[in-house]
Amino acid sequence: GNSVTQMEGPVTLSEEAFLTINCTYTATGYPSLFWYVQYPGEGLQLLLKATKADDKGSNKGFEATYRKETTSFHLEKGSVQVSDSAVYFCALSAPYSSASKIIFGSGTRLSIRP
Amino acid sequence: KAGVTQTPRYLIKTRGQQVTLSCSPISGHRSVSWYQQTPGQGLQFLFEYFSETQRNKGNFPGRFSGRQFSNSRSEMNVSTLELGDSALYLCASSFSLQGNEKLFFGSGTQLSVL
Repeated sequence: GNSVTQMEGPVTLSEEAFLTINCTYTATGYPSLFWYVQYPGEGLQLLLKATKADDKGSNKGFEATYRKETTSFHLEKGSVQVSDSAVYFCALSAPYSSASKIIFGSGTRLSIRP
Repeated sequence: KAGVTQTPRYLIKTRGQQVTLSCSPISGHRSVSWYQQTPGQGLQFLFEYFSETQRNKGNFPGRFSGRQFSNSRSEMNVSTLELGDSALYLCASSFSLQGNEKLFFGSGTQLSVL
């Protein structure tokens, strides 16, 4: 079946450091891929998404590229800020399907030191 | 436009009691999904409602139930609470049943079972 594997946390970085959070997936067909972010005390927010191979999703300085050859969707940011401290979830789903079909990774907690 | 509203924000119950959680979706959204989030299991899908009908159900015991009203507001109920039911319960809404590409989450209800 479909699955998502993301790097274990917590990840601790200094402000302005480069960020990579790895995410790989197993899926049949051509799923849509997502990154969600959960700030302390809040629900999940969609950060970015990509719907086909080689698509790059981007938002708030974060980027992720849909790599079908390596079945990966790694999240990157060139210079992190303290306000980026949150839990990040990689997810996949068949395109335009029900919320019940979304498969979430286990989440990676990111802490940024000033 | 108001976001997804979940009430109450925090709940403390004892084993054996029952609890009802409420979710008001974004205006115009007709699909509501519920998730349980725990540190050990991550995000697990509970159920999904559309037009007052349960459309999908996750792998949870019958103690977990829900409903949706004609105004799209949804409630979930957990009867005979167990310690393991302690979790953050998240509600998400979307415009349609195929709304996984645009899912909006509430801030959740943190349930503690003592």
